[in-house]
Amino acid sequence: GPKVLQIPSHQIIDMGQMVTLNCDPVSNHLYFYWYKQILGQQMEFLVNFYNGKVMEKSKLFKDQFSVERPDGSYFTLKIQPTALEDSAVYFCASSYRVNQDTQYFGPGTRLLVL
Amino acid sequence: AQSVTQPDARVTVSEGASLQLRCKYSYSGTPYLFWYVQYPRQGLQLLLKYYSGDPVVQGVNGFEAEFSKSNSSFHLRKASVHWSDSAVYFCVLRNTGNYKYVFGAGTRLKVIA
Repeated sequence: GPKVLQIPSHQIIDMGQMVTLNCDPVSNHLYFYWYKQILGQQMEFLVNFYNGKVMEKSKLFKDQFSVERPDGSYFTLKIQPTALEDSAVYFCASSYRVNQDTQYFGPGTRLLVL
Repeated sequence: AQSVTQPDARVTVSEGASLQLRCKYSYSGTPYLFWYVQYPRQGLQLLLKYYSGDPVVQGVNGFEAEFSKSNSSFHLRKASVHWSDSAVYFCVLRNTGNYKYVFGAGTRLKVIA
């Protein structure tokens, strides 16, 4: 089936540094999503993105977070600066449409902030 | 507020036995419901989805789920499990008004010989 890729699979950084998580969505998909899963907790919605704009975001999507998809390349989540509580697995997803449509997920990027 | 509860964090069944993984949701309307499976080091894969109509939906690999509005449930079933079904299963809700998924905590299934 359709595959979403995430790069890198693991990232370790020092608190206060910037990190960019990359997502390679399914090629004809138009809607993009980020989810966050802290160890031992439920996966939670962060943000979705369409046509160059954030459509909806949760309270977890702090001011230090930003998303973009420059020139149809990777869909990225940038955290600047990082904090200890940003340590989690971040999952990217994409869908062709938004209404009644299925989201396809990547394998996640495991971020550890020291 | 919407929520999804998967009451069983871990389930162990013998190969060839039947399976039911429970899912309860909280939502005032009729939600869109999904079951996803996650194998180690892989992304979540869709097993099946319910939008409307027949409350029993068929999915891949012999899985099915039954939607019950009266019980606010969407339990996943399989008649005979295989060792390769060992994975984490997520019940997911999406309401009809926005785009985000609401996840259950997941149930880790272990199939033993």
